[in-house]
Amino acid sequence: QSALTQPPSASGSPGQSVTISCIGTSSDVGGYNSVSWYQQHPGKAPKLIIYEVTKRPSGVPDRFSGSKSGNTASLTVSGLQAEDEADYYCFSYAGSETYVFGLGTKVIVL
Amino acid sequence: EVQLVESGGGLVQPGGSLRLSCAASGFTFNSYWLHWVRQVPGEGLVWVSRVKGDGSGTSYADSVKGRFTISRDNAKNTLHLQMNSLRAEDTAVYYCVRDYSAACDYWGQGTLVTVSS
Repeated sequence: QSALTQPPSASGSPGQSVTISCIGTSSDVGGYNSVSWYQQHPGKAPKLIIYEVTKRPSGVPDRFSGSKSGNTASLTVSGLQAEDEADYYCFSYAGSETYVFGLGTKVIVL
Repeated sequence: EVQLVESGGGLVQPGGSLRLSCAASGFTFNSYWLHWVRQVPGEGLVWVSRVKGDGSGTSYADSVKGRFTISRDNAKNTLHLQMNSLRAEDTAVYYCVRDYSAACDYWGQGTLVTVSS
């Protein structure tokens, strides 16, 4: 149950796009279409923004999109806004009824 | 409106026990799997445990297996986490989370557990 690998930080100017990677293995990210992404602002509970690799829950702006290739999942935030500055975590089913989070990425809006 | 409200956190000595509870409302409780997720303040999220809707199937992270027990009372719409043999490294905010298609769609506000002498 090793944590999924994410870059510690990512940054972009308002209006630009930023992409965050989530690297796992064939036993987790690569083995299932069960990757989800969460946004967490300081002092708040996480919020689901992507599930089943590419799906957005109701109310989540279409500026947020997800994808997967092999053992790597990605979250892209397009048209960066100040309120997108937060920590982002990926999460995947890891087989044998277990799950694993990524290490987290701090997105900075310059 | 879906609501998950955790309780039971606090200060406990190493080796001690604590029981967390999560009161759920706003959805058909027994239709959803539930998770516990923890987070050391300032650090990342860690999956802890999951229970199926009817309580029949449970699973745990290796770090808590054999020490923690997840359970649910579907008559009272309540989720529990019994934590025994607590260690300093169990200190964290514990979140009660609803599962939707292997994702965590609703989160409680969290309850802080501090293991210290």
